[in-house]
Amino acid sequence: QKEVEQNSGPLSVPEGAIASLNCTYSDRVSQSFFWYRQYSGKSPELIMSIYSNGDKEDGRFTAQLNKASQYVSLLIRDSQPSDSATYLCAVNIPQGAQKLVFGQGTRLTINP
Amino acid sequence: DAEITQSPRHKITETGRQVTLACHQTWNHNNMFWYRQDLGHGLRLIHYSYGVQDTNKGEVSDGYSVSRSNTEDLPLTLESAASSQTSVYFCASSESRGLDQPQHFGDGTRLSIL
Repeated sequence: QKEVEQNSGPLSVPEGAIASLNCTYSDRVSQSFFWYRQYSGKSPELIMSIYSNGDKEDGRFTAQLNKASQYVSLLIRDSQPSDSATYLCAVNIPQGAQKLVFGQGTRLTINP
Repeated sequence: DAEITQSPRHKITETGRQVTLACHQTWNHNNMFWYRQDLGHGLRLIHYSYGVQDTNKGEVSDGYSVSRSNTEDLPLTLESAASSQTSVYFCASSESRGLDQPQHFGDGTRLSIL
C-alpha cells in the first residue's frame, strides 16, 4: 500500500461547479497535511495546509481532514479554468524528522 | 523578496559525466530538500538537510550526493550520470523541523541524460 494515494484522474469539472479532490494516507500518526497545485511545466505551489480534524476554508478552497478515516480532501468552489492543474496531496510522516510524502497527484480540468 | 532559485533550468549531458545542480535560497531556512519528479512516480525525495554540515538520504539517493557548507545552498551532484536519472529535479526549503512547516519549491531543473 502506498503511503499517500490519490486518484490520478483526469477529473473534469464544468466551470462554476465544485471540484472535489481526495487523498488517503496510511500512517495513522501523520499530523500535517498539505495541498499543492502544480501547473504543467511549473513547480508545486502550496495552496492549503490542515492539521486538525474538520474543515479549513481559504477563499474558494476548503480542506477537509478526517484522521479516523485517514482521509484528506480539497474542495474548490466556483471552479475556474485557471484552476486546471495537477493537485498534489502531501503528508508529513513523523519519523523524527520533517519529511513530506507526496501522492502522485490528481489532474483537474475545468471546462468552460 | 526572499526566494529559492535553481540553476540551470535545463541541461543536457551524456552518460558517465558528473553533473551538479544548484539550489540557492534567501529565506534563511534551515531545511532544504531535493526531489525528482517522474511520470507515474510523483515527487520522490533524494536527499535532505536540516542545517549546515547535515545531510541525509531520502528514498532514491543512489547515484546522488549533496553537501551543505552554508545555510543558503544545497547543490545536488550526480557522480556518474545515468539515463535513468533523466528527470525534473526540484529543490525545496522549509523554516524549521516542526511538522507543521510547509515546503516551498524552486522552479525546477529539467535534466536529460543521453
